[in-house]
Amino acid sequence: DAGVIQSPRHEVTEMGQEVTLRCKPISGHDYLFWYRQTMMRGLELLIYFNNNVPIDDSGMPEDRFSAKMPNASFSTLKIQPSEPRDSAVYFCASSLTVYQPQHFGDGTRLSIL
Amino acid sequence: SQQGEEDPQALSIQEGENATMNCSYKTSINNLQWYRQNSGRGLVHLILIRSNEREKHSGRLRVTLDTSKKSSSLLITASRAADTASYFCATDWWGANNLFFGTGTRLTVIP
Repeated sequence: DAGVIQSPRHEVTEMGQEVTLRCKPISGHDYLFWYRQTMMRGLELLIYFNNNVPIDDSGMPEDRFSAKMPNASFSTLKIQPSEPRDSAVYFCASSLTVYQPQHFGDGTRLSIL
Repeated sequence: SQQGEEDPQALSIQEGENATMNCSYKTSINNLQWYRQNSGRGLVHLILIRSNEREKHSGRLRVTLDTSKKSSSLLITASRAADTASYFCATDWWGANNLFFGTGTRLTVIP
């Protein structure tokens, strides 16, 4: 039974470049969450989807961040243009309902130079 | 504002000892969950305890919940080096639209 799959695992890019992070949730899970983790701020919820529809994007830091979920098996988080302060580990998680345990991918470690 | 805060921030023990981590929260909750995060990996769900439960066990894990004090504790008995990880509590409440994670306790088990 495959878990949540994220790609790439590591991304290093220069400031100003577009970054696209990808996530495949667990089949049958109706909820998908994007988080960002840093030493300073801990784990922050950026946005979450229910049945492919964005429900709460209040955690998205700026308009440079956007997320989509075109179908039940795929989601992207895009940063354009990227800045050094966006450097963090980005996690995707999915769950059956908003109150049930979340299953996390292994994250994308993003470094913006 | 942050819903859950773990205490201590870091804990170092010898293999075989018990480890206790605490979580305090601010709002009356529906459920409280504990997660583990190994270095370089995503969070892994350990146990969920509902607001009407006081204690729950899973293998070497024991979770207690005191809603009057708005706190929970996670006890790991007979710790192993493989238990070295960060541990997070997460809470939700009726009307909340997601889980709120605490700041985590970094546990180091020395072989």
